[in-house]
Amino acid sequence: AQSVSQHNHHVILSEAASLELGCNYSYGGTVNLFWYVQYPGQHLQLLLKYFSGDPLVKGIKGFEAEFIKSKFSFNLRKPSVQWSDTAEYFCAVTSSGGSYIPTFGRGTSLIVHP
Amino acid sequence: DAGVIQSPRHEVTEMGQEVTLRCKPISGHNSLFWYRQTMMRGLELLIYFNNNVPIDDSGMPEDRFSAKMPNASFSTLKIQPSEPRDSAVYFCASSLRGGGSTGELFFGEGSRLTVL
Repeated sequence: AQSVSQHNHHVILSEAASLELGCNYSYGGTVNLFWYVQYPGQHLQLLLKYFSGDPLVKGIKGFEAEFIKSKFSFNLRKPSVQWSDTAEYFCAVTSSGGSYIPTFGRGTSLIVHP
Repeated sequence: DAGVIQSPRHEVTEMGQEVTLRCKPISGHNSLFWYRQTMMRGLELLIYFNNNVPIDDSGMPEDRFSAKMPNASFSTLKIQPSEPRDSAVYFCASSLRGGGSTGELFFGEGSRLTVL
């Protein structure tokens, strides 16, 4: 069975600081990887996704993530965070050709102080 | 295009009452998921439908919970009788499963349930 681990449960940053949220998954086959964001009081929405090709994926709002297959990782990064990035971030994985049931990590709560 | 539509957005009820949450997936999507989100347990998958058929309901907490999908455009999640520990935000999500699909989920706004 696949699993997703997000190491940082709570992150507090000041505006303009750089961000990196860790995500590791366990699955031996080909995967699709996702980062979802949940702004306060809202639903989850897709931030970025990786299927194949360039392992460095760029998403909305200046976010990017790098798939490192050898490390089973898909870390989320942003060079300079803004107060509006305050949200919960979820990493998720589906197995290509598999059940299509996504496995979500526990989420990382990011608070950005102005 | 309309996204996933859930109702009600907020529900406050008393312990023992029946609660029915509703979901309309995105037209053309053939997979539907019900999730529950709490501070303590995070995001939990309750049940997954594919082509209106329940495929995995291992996440349904107990017999008080039931879910149906009578057609491709409607699903319900029912709790009977409700208990205070059922208080949570319930999300419905849909996706397209099939050739070329990547499994991206589209979430509804959620139904916030409070059981007193």
